[in-house]
Amino acid sequence: DADVTQTPRNRITKTGKRIMLECSQTKGHDRMYWYRQDPGLGLRLIYYSFDVKDINKGEISDGYSVSRQAQAKFSLSLESAIPNQTALYFCATSDFRETQYFGPGTRLLVL
Amino acid sequence: LAKTTQPISMDSYEGQEVNITCSHNNIATNDYITWYQQFPSQGPRFIIQGYKTKVTNEVASLFIPADRKSSTLSLPRVSLSDTAVYYCLVGDEGDTGFQKLVFGTGTRLLVSP
Repeated sequence: DADVTQTPRNRITKTGKRIMLECSQTKGHDRMYWYRQDPGLGLRLIYYSFDVKDINKGEISDGYSVSRQAQAKFSLSLESAIPNQTALYFCATSDFRETQYFGPGTRLLVL
Repeated sequence: LAKTTQPISMDSYEGQEVNITCSHNNIATNDYITWYQQFPSQGPRFIIQGYKTKVTNEVASLFIPADRKSSTLSLPRVSLSDTAVYYCLVGDEGDTGFQKLVFGTGTRLLVSP
């Protein structure tokens, strides 16, 4: 969905490096989410934010941190990347009691 | 937090109707049932949402029995482009007691010519 953009789309990094994945949305939604997806598996929630001042841990937050810089921007950081963080990362947005709109994903490979 | 159970995979042929059933025995009073579709290397896309009885849109129908412990996504006359993974989610996206919507592993639908 062009309303939700993620950068970069693909990234290769080395173990121990810090990396940031960025998400921007033009839908005007208050809520934003970060998920990861491993091959053959469903999506797992990393962090979610209901508004700029609200940040919540999801199912698998260890090793990750987030920043909600503005209503439209939600960044995910890996402070010290490790190989098992190799995955496809999705950002999503929603409004109160509405369904989620997903970005195109960021494919991350940690060597 | 309601947990859902769906078949891992299903096979069909073009032009057939496909019904994917999801079990959610612990569904709560405030929970809605939402289905998403995901193509490879793309984010999930909303298909349909319902609370009870039947909901229909231009893409699919959703059947929910009175006890709401299961739901069935119905795709009429599937085509090759309907090959995807389908996720059933149960939860409440409201503020009170926000329940993270668990995507699970979904149902992998393969449509053949």
